[in-house]
Amino acid sequence: EVQLVESGGGLVQPGGSLRLSCAASGFTFSSYAMHWVRQAPGKGLEYVSAISSNGGSTYYANSVKGRFTISRDNSKNTLYLQMGSLRAEDMAVYYCAREAPYEEGAFDIWGQGTMVTVSS
Amino acid sequence: AIRITQSPSSLSASTGDRVTITCRASQGISSYLAWYQQKPGKAPKLLIYAASTLQSGVPSRFSGSGSGTDFTLTISCLQSEDFATYYCQQYYSYPLTFGGGTKVEIK
Repeated sequence: EVQLVESGGGLVQPGGSLRLSCAASGFTFSSYAMHWVRQAPGKGLEYVSAISSNGGSTYYANSVKGRFTISRDNSKNTLYLQMGSLRAEDMAVYYCAREAPYEEGAFDIWGQGTMVTVSS
Repeated sequence: AIRITQSPSSLSASTGDRVTITCRASQGISSYLAWYQQKPGKAPKLLIYAASTLQSGVPSRFSGSGSGTDFTLTISCLQSEDFATYYCQQYYSYPLTFGGGTKVEIK
């Protein structure tokens, strides 16, 4: 079964750091670009970051640039999002998503999400 | 960044109704538009990509149309399992952006 499972969310103080992980299974992880999308409580979807299949190219939304780092370990079939200098507005469910192999930029597989709470 | 304006933000409909949701892009995006369905507490699910191509396994009552700046998602005969929030997303250029969502509720 093709699956993405996020972990690493939790409660963090403003200014703190957190690393999210996304474990992939059921497909050749190293062949796919991967993305992070977040959703604040009761709000819509917001694009966060992308990484190419080999990790050589990355992209960040302006709202997280300089504070978040996306990476991947293809030997471990795992995607990461290192988050720093966290703010209240970063509080959200964070989803990892696989880029569709037949349509670059659309997301055909999503994880279940992991909640990040930023509060003192 | 390309802005996506989605309307309506919510609608009430009955089972069997035909429902239409629209998205307008702030600039032309060709057919680089996807539609997702999200149910409470769940991840989004891809319904349509390339504006009108149905994702494998998605019922044929869902259809998409449009190109350039104006796009439409139509549910031809609303079923109970279709009550959810729907989002459009452009992938013409980065940053990838989503519409604000349309919540489809039971009348």
